[in-house]
Amino acid sequence: DQQVKQNSPSLSVQEGRISILNCDYTNSMFDYFLWYKKYPAEGPTFLISISSIKDKNEDGRFTVFLNKSAKHLSLHIVPSQPGDSAVYFCAASPDYTGTASKLTFGTGTRLQVTL
Amino acid sequence: GAVVSQHPSWVICKSGTSVKIECRSLDFQATTMFWYRQFPKQSLMLMATSNEGSKATYEQGVEKDKFLINHASLTLSTLTVTSAHPEDSSFYICSAKSGWGQGYGYTFGSGTRLTVV
Repeated sequence: DQQVKQNSPSLSVQEGRISILNCDYTNSMFDYFLWYKKYPAEGPTFLISISSIKDKNEDGRFTVFLNKSAKHLSLHIVPSQPGDSAVYFCAASPDYTGTASKLTFGTGTRLQVTL
Repeated sequence: GAVVSQHPSWVICKSGTSVKIECRSLDFQATTMFWYRQFPKQSLMLMATSNEGSKATYEQGVEKDKFLINHASLTLSTLTVTSAHPEDSSFYICSAKSGWGQGYGYTFGSGTRLTVV
C-alpha cells in the first residue's frame, strides 16, 4: 500500500524553465510534508517542507504548494538549473514533534535539466 | 546543523557472512533512529525503528532475525545483516530526528551500499 505516490517517474526540463514535481498521498493523518533531493549512493538532502496549516512555502528557487483537500502537493523549481538534476522524493509524517515520528517516502521523480 | 554519520559507505561481503553498519548522531542525542533500504530506482522503504535501550520495531515483511538492530546508546545504532545473501544487496540509509533544525529535524546518513557476492 503506497501511501505517498509520485506518478511521474521522470521529468525533463530545459534550463531556465520551471520544473513542477507532483506528489499525492492517501493517509489523511499526514500533516507534515517534506521534499528531498537525492543522488545515487548518497543520503537524501532536505530541500523544503510544509505543514498542513499552510498552502504554500517558499525558499529561494523552491516553492512547495499543498492542497490538503486533494491530498496533493507539488514542488516548483524556478529557474531550473543543470545542478538540479537528481531524484526528488516527497515524504510525509503525521507528527513532527515526536522523535519517533517516521517518514513515509514517495516513489521518486528523476529530474533532468537540459541545457 | 545536526549530523548523522553512517559507516561504512560501501561494503562487499561473501554469501553467508554477516555485515554490521553503524549509524551515529554526532551532535545530538537520538533516542530513536530509523533504518531504510533502497533498491535501484525505487523508493526508500522503512525497515525498522530503532529505540535506545529497547527492542527495535520492525515494519511488516522485514525479517527480525536477518536484520538485527542494536541501539545501545543515545548516539549509536547498528544494523547487522546476518547470513547475507545476494538478494540483500541494496543501499541502506539510517536517519535520526534531532528535534531541531531544518526539515523538522530529520537528518540522514550518507548511506551504505552493500553488495553480497
